[in-house]
Amino acid sequence: AQTVTQSQPEMSVQEAETVTLSCTYDTSESDYYLFWYKQPPSRQMILVIRQEAYKQQNATENRFSVNFQKAAKSFSLKISDSQLGDAAMYFCAYRSYDGGATNKLIFGTGTLLAVQP
Amino acid sequence: SAVISQKPSRDICQRGTSLTIQCQVDSQVTMMFWYRQQPGQSLTLIATANQGSEATYESGFVIDKFPISRPNLTFSTLTVSNMSPEDSSIYLCSVEKGGQGEGYNEQFFGPGTRLTVL
Repeated sequence: AQTVTQSQPEMSVQEAETVTLSCTYDTSESDYYLFWYKQPPSRQMILVIRQEAYKQQNATENRFSVNFQKAAKSFSLKISDSQLGDAAMYFCAYRSYDGGATNKLIFGTGTLLAVQP
Repeated sequence: SAVISQKPSRDICQRGTSLTIQCQVDSQVTMMFWYRQQPGQSLTLIATANQGSEATYESGFVIDKFPISRPNLTFSTLTVSNMSPEDSSIYLCSVEKGGQGEGYNEQFFGPGTRLTVL
């Protein structure tokens, strides 16, 4: 079974600085998706960024980028020029490429990011 | 994208009662998911609901405790039955819709229902 581990329960960053959130996962599959989701205090979960395992190029979305190391099964999220609105719980998630019976997401335990003004 | 609403947004219930949570989507979707997020913890999938078929439950979750209905392609309900304080959680509805390219389907989440059981 696949597992996702986030070893940083809480992180803090100064506004305008850069922060990296860590995520490791375990799987025997070769094709899969990895995601970072953001859950602000309002609770609405939104997708931040997605990475397909077969792509070597790291995904980037504006100030958000990932460092995907497939051999090491590592998938970290870098937030550049941090803003107050980035404060939230961040979840790393895994999903099988094929999906099988359910295309379920397997979530890590989350990292609570605080942004200091 | 998908706009998802859930009712109620929060509720406080007595032990032994049941609560039905509604999930409404602004467009037709094939797959809907129900997740539980216990206080301070991650999300755990309860079940997958496809229209026209029985819901598929994950290990540790049973239909008698969490019956699900999926009467059409835009609506689903999750009932939390015979509640105990351990059922106090946030319950989130999620749907899968086509995303950008390569047959990828993205999951969108509702705002959640915060349930407190006394």
